[in-house]
Amino acid sequence: QKEVEQNSGPLSVPEGAIASLNCTYSDRGSQSFFWYRQYSGKSPELIMFIYSNGDKEDGRFTAQLNKASQYVSLLIRDSQPSDSATYLCAVTGYSTLTFGKGTMLLVSP
Amino acid sequence: DTAVSQTPKYLVTQMGNDKSIKCEQNLGHDTMYWYKQDSKKFLKIMFSYNNKELIINETVPNRFSPKSPDKAHLNLHINSLELGDSAVYFCASSQASGGQPQHFGDGTRLSIL
Repeated sequence: QKEVEQNSGPLSVPEGAIASLNCTYSDRGSQSFFWYRQYSGKSPELIMFIYSNGDKEDGRFTAQLNKASQYVSLLIRDSQPSDSATYLCAVTGYSTLTFGKGTMLLVSP
Repeated sequence: DTAVSQTPKYLVTQMGNDKSIKCEQNLGHDTMYWYKQDSKKFLKIMFSYNNKELIINETVPNRFSPKSPDKAHLNLHINSLELGDSAVYFCASSQASGGQPQHFGDGTRLSIL
């Protein structure tokens, strides 16, 4: 059974701070790693994907992958109240995309 | 210019009825998916089609039957609806199967009375 674990939160950070969201996965054969953002009542929106060990940066977002530790994280720099949402980690090998249950992020002004 | 569109957005019906949800993508993707997100917000894959062929069928009751008339469409028909079917159903698509980023529709909120 492939599992993706996330702390459900909420993770509360003040505006302008760095938010750090973490995810671990059980399947060592996992190849692709995604972060989705989901606002309440809306659909998941892809914000980052990473395939190789190391860091990948896109604007205020950085995804970090450590396959040896089976760990993937998302850093959000200069957090804004509009970043308040649930962040879903998703992991796949060659077929099924398995989602974690999400971490709720609250950014206070 | 919606990339993945689902209809209807809301569906309220009684137990025992049969209903369908339609999904269309205009991204030119080969692979389409149906997900169920329950009240605890857990998003779980139900089915996946690649170029009209079923490639993933998770443990879903056979009351649920997907149909893909072409690679741009994936519909979901549900027979004999039960209370536990109440959830948000998301359609998604990706360029190909296996590890590609998926793009989601806006979801269909199904409520069973």
